[in-house]
Amino acid sequence: DQQVKQNSPSLSVQEGRISILNCDYTNSMFDYFLWYKKYPAEGPTFLISISSIKDKNEDGRFTVFLNKSAKHLSLHIVPSQPGDSAVYFCAASAQGGSEKLVFGKGTKLTVNP
Amino acid sequence: GAVVSQHPSWVICKSGTSVKIECRSLDFQATTMFWYRQFPKQSLMLMATSNEGSKATYEQGVEKDKFLINHASLTLSTLTVTSAHPEDSSFYICSADPPRRWSSYEQYFGPGTRLTVT
Repeated sequence: DQQVKQNSPSLSVQEGRISILNCDYTNSMFDYFLWYKKYPAEGPTFLISISSIKDKNEDGRFTVFLNKSAKHLSLHIVPSQPGDSAVYFCAASAQGGSEKLVFGKGTKLTVNP
Repeated sequence: GAVVSQHPSWVICKSGTSVKIECRSLDFQATTMFWYRQFPKQSLMLMATSNEGSKATYEQGVEKDKFLINHASLTLSTLTVTSAHPEDSSFYICSADPPRRWSSYEQYFGPGTRLTVT
């Protein structure tokens, strides 16, 4: 049973445009969500997180939106840059983030120059 | 920022042999570290939670006798794949929990270890 779902395995956008990566979850106990970026043969690097008490969190070009009623979150990257090309993983945790992380399968983002 | 290292970055071993992978937190102490494996085009699957000074907690379906975890210090956890078989070939990644005083809950990941069993 996949508790965190990233239904789009890949996404391609033009440089300068917005990239929107989506993530859905099924476990209502999840209350802390994170996005990680991963290059091939490297470990994931943390991008941005959001607690369930918020519906939006921004950090530079990255914004995460959380819709608790729909159990859906999204990562917006504006403007997209070629260096953003990577696999993006959505992860969720319970107990305010202190429980283990549950990852989605990832979305491969390609930003074309 | 927090740095987690893994050694080796890649290893090739023969079927039936054992391989040890090290995970170190370089600039912080981690009472808890995690071991994941990732198959191609798949998600990161948590294998076990490694707690300093106590036994690891394994996820359902992970053989504790095959994947031995030792967390002997606050900066080092090791994963030993015993009697490796070709199906154990995978990308193994560790992560470490930062101190809670950092007021954040993101784990810091190592660069991963590519294991190939021939």
